Amino acid sequence: GAVVSQHPSWVICKSGTSVKIECRSLDFQATTMFWYRQFPKQSLMLMATSNEGSKATYEQGVEKDKFLINHASLTLSTLTVTSAHPEDSSFYICSAREVTSGHNEQFFGPGTRLTVL
Amino acid sequence: AQKITQTQPGMFVQEKEAVTLDCTYDTSDQSYGLFWYKQPSSGEMIFLIYQGSYDEQNATEGRYSLNFQKARKSANLVISASQLGDSAMYFCAMSWNTGGFKTIFGAGTRLFVKA
Repeated sequence: GAVVSQHPSWVICKSGTSVKIECRSLDFQATTMFWYRQFPKQSLMLMATSNEGSKATYEQGVEKDKFLINHASLTLSTLTVTSAHPEDSSFYICSAREVTSGHNEQFFGPGTRLTVL
Repeated sequence: AQKITQTQPGMFVQEKEAVTLDCTYDTSDQSYGLFWYKQPSSGEMIFLIYQGSYDEQNATEGRYSLNFQKARKSANLVISASQLGDSAMYFCAMSWNTGGFKTIFGAGTRLFVKA
């Protein structure tokens, strides 16, 4: 399958700072990327869907001003956690697909573990 | 509303035996996909198997098979000949493409394989 990378793999930051997480599709054009959050011992929760060149669509309850998503190219989407607080500590996972793909062609990144002190 | 349910928080299986992980779903869409992912402690989501809603035959991938019962809206994962390395979290997921592609995940089942 296709490869999706995330950077960084893990990050520790102080409360109040902003953190940017990158998601890249390495060998295909990802017209759509998804951002998920996973708290310990819980399932993946979809945060937002981003389509290249347009604004992200956020799920209910997700603060768009806090979780800024940019999908400026067909191979890169970024999630910026602004003014991070300890409750934002979580595992963030992105996935990517081409718009013409079938259901089974969604590829996940390895995840980014964020710890806010 | 779309929903995925996994009712088994944890399962134990003896090495070399088969185990079934349950998954039921609810959707009003006719076209959808069902998936199983394995998540080891590293956190990476490892794709195991996929079943399309129009596929008449149950999907199989090596030691993994998906018992798809459309009328009952169930998509159980069967792992044959369990190995110690199968110990992990397993998530059932469903995707659909009405109003935009989306995937939702069940709560997960933690599988413990005993030697």
